[in-house]
Amino acid sequence: AQSVAQPEDQVNVAEGNPLTVKCTYSVSGNPYLFWYVQYPNRGLQFLLKYITGDNLVKGSYGFEAEFNKSQTSFHLKKPSALVSDSALYFCAVRDYSNYQLIWGAGTKLIIKP
Amino acid sequence: DSGVTQTPKHLITATGQRVTLRCSPRSGDLSVYWYQQSLDQGLQFLIQYYNGEERAKGNILERFSAQQFPDLHSELNLSSLELGDSALYFCASSVGLGQSNTGELFFGEGSRLTVL
Repeated sequence: AQSVAQPEDQVNVAEGNPLTVKCTYSVSGNPYLFWYVQYPNRGLQFLLKYITGDNLVKGSYGFEAEFNKSQTSFHLKKPSALVSDSALYFCAVRDYSNYQLIWGAGTKLIIKP
Repeated sequence: DSGVTQTPKHLITATGQRVTLRCSPRSGDLSVYWYQQSLDQGLQFLIQYYNGEERAKGNILERFSAQQFPDLHSELNLSSLELGDSALYFCASSVGLGQSNTGELFFGEGSRLTVL
């Protein structure tokens, strides 16, 4: 069965430090992978996606994600965290059978000044 | 601003009642999706419509129903409400369908339903 996992419920990072939010997936075939962000009291916003090509994908707000096929991971990264990055982050993979997105449980990112 | 509009933003009602949530998709988008977000269940896909027709069903209860109208707006009807139905209900839209659905969804800001 296709699935996506975000192993951390919460990640705490000091402002200015690099951040990583982890995501692993399980799909048959080549995955379509996504990161979305949800700020407090807002809807989800698309950050970036990997479909094919370069394993390092750049997205909005200075975020990037690294696709690692051997480790079946798609971790979200940012070199220098901002307090305004504090939000809920969702990883998702596209289901081959019906093209719907399969969502991870979300990781709450807290950036402390 | 995603371009997706949801009303109402907040709704408080009693158990056993029925409510309707409305969504206007982004201009040009033919697909509309409904999601439920609760603290214990995370983000749950409910249903998708494309150009007026139901295309995919997720974990939608029989007490819930949806439709997409000719002008492409969509409504989610929740009936015989229970305390556990309290949640944020999101609508999202996208251009394509199936293989052409690249996965980039545009979300509204949600309707927060509280059932007392």
